[in-house]
Amino acid sequence: GAVVSQHPSWVICKSGTSVKIECRSLDFQATTMFWYRQFPKQSLMLMATSNEGSKATYEQGVEKDKFLINHASLTLSTLTVTSAHPEDSSFYICSARRTSGISSSYEQYFGPGTRLTVT
Amino acid sequence: QKEVEQNSGPLSVPEGAIASLNCTYSDRGSQSFFWYRQYSGKSPELIMFIYSNGDKEDGRFTAQLNKASQYVSLLIRDSQPSDSATYLCAVNSGTYKYIFGTGTRLKVLA
Repeated sequence: GAVVSQHPSWVICKSGTSVKIECRSLDFQATTMFWYRQFPKQSLMLMATSNEGSKATYEQGVEKDKFLINHASLTLSTLTVTSAHPEDSSFYICSARRTSGISSSYEQYFGPGTRLTVT
Repeated sequence: QKEVEQNSGPLSVPEGAIASLNCTYSDRGSQSFFWYRQYSGKSPELIMFIYSNGDKEDGRFTAQLNKASQYVSLLIRDSQPSDSATYLCAVNSGTYKYIFGTGTRLKVLA
């Protein structure tokens, strides 16, 4: 159990175009999903928290108009990188939070990531 | 500022030895603690979580939590070259956010 998928696994796009990345929890419902980005040899950077049925919460310094997040159902969140530029090239990873059997505790499971290259 | 600190390493251990990875955290209200393994170019994989003081064992992995001293550790017994990866410690204080450490790179030498 606790499988999270991401699609696509890698994408190359031209500067100025938009790219949509999908994140799905396959065997559990996730009211909360997270979007991270990671540059080579650096740690995870939380971009935003996606809540089903409400607006995403963005971390400081992350442009909400550039990184559009939609959490349309309990198993699907999408991240759209709008007007992508080469500096947006990165490894984007989503995760989904699953309720643990222990009260008020959650575990976070990551998708396999999407490698975005903007040319 | 809530922080989670890990030694970046690399921590090198010979094959078959015990690898000991440590993590300290600053928020005394932290409730849940997680260890993730991340291979180069891949996403993190949850390997252990612990909520209560003491030890929790799962196969070759043992997580140890000491809330009074604000540290959590991961022991890997009988280390294998395939265990070579970056190990991320994450802490959750009951809010929706997880605070990640920067990770410790482990090298198991054959």
